[in-house]
Amino acid sequence: DGGITQSPKYLFRKEGQNVTLSCEQNLNHDAMYWYRQDPGQGLRLIYYSQIVNDFQKGDIAEGYSVSREKKESFPLTVTSAQKNPTAFYLCASSTGYSNQPQHFGDGTRLSIL
Amino acid sequence: DAKTTQPNSMESNEEEPVHLPCNHSTISGTDYIHWYRQLPSQGPEYVIHGLTSNVNNRMASLAIAEDRKSSTLILHRATLRDAAVYYCILRPDSGYALNFGKGTSLLVTP
Repeated sequence: DGGITQSPKYLFRKEGQNVTLSCEQNLNHDAMYWYRQDPGQGLRLIYYSQIVNDFQKGDIAEGYSVSREKKESFPLTVTSAQKNPTAFYLCASSTGYSNQPQHFGDGTRLSIL
Repeated sequence: DAKTTQPNSMESNEEEPVHLPCNHSTISGTDYIHWYRQLPSQGPEYVIHGLTSNVNNRMASLAIAEDRKSSTLILHRATLRDAAVYYCILRPDSGYALNFGKGTSLLVTP
């Protein structure tokens, strides 16, 4: 079945450590997105990519980095510069047209050790 | 970006219809109205979207006011599995990302 796969489901980060969250889609979508969700809050956009080898910062990009070397993959790195990384991270993809929905993965929950 | 206003929470009895309101008085002519829902510890799930006309699908109906300044998501028979946070989102024609607010938390009681 087509969909979005995020891994791992749970991730722990030590102080000063970079960690990378994986996001893969087999929907042949051009656009991919990373959102962050804090408890009791809505989703906030971190980065998005409309096409391979191109991406743009969202509202809260500081302390994060991404790459888009393949259409199917959009990994997110949470760097040591992100001082409050504990959150639920969600990846999504879409065709990119505003009249088409975004499809979300099941998320990665990141915590600090 | 145009904003939406939703009640923080609503409650419904199982097997009864649910009407979830959304106000978007600053909507522009090319903004699509999208609805998503999110179950606990899961990613959001697309429910329905529309531009001007009312829309129906297997999950729900979307009723859009004639002036487009408000809309209502209708669940025809609520089940316990419909308990979730429902987000009403405006998506500009030229926009890519979704602007999520806090949504409406729907409680369904047996």
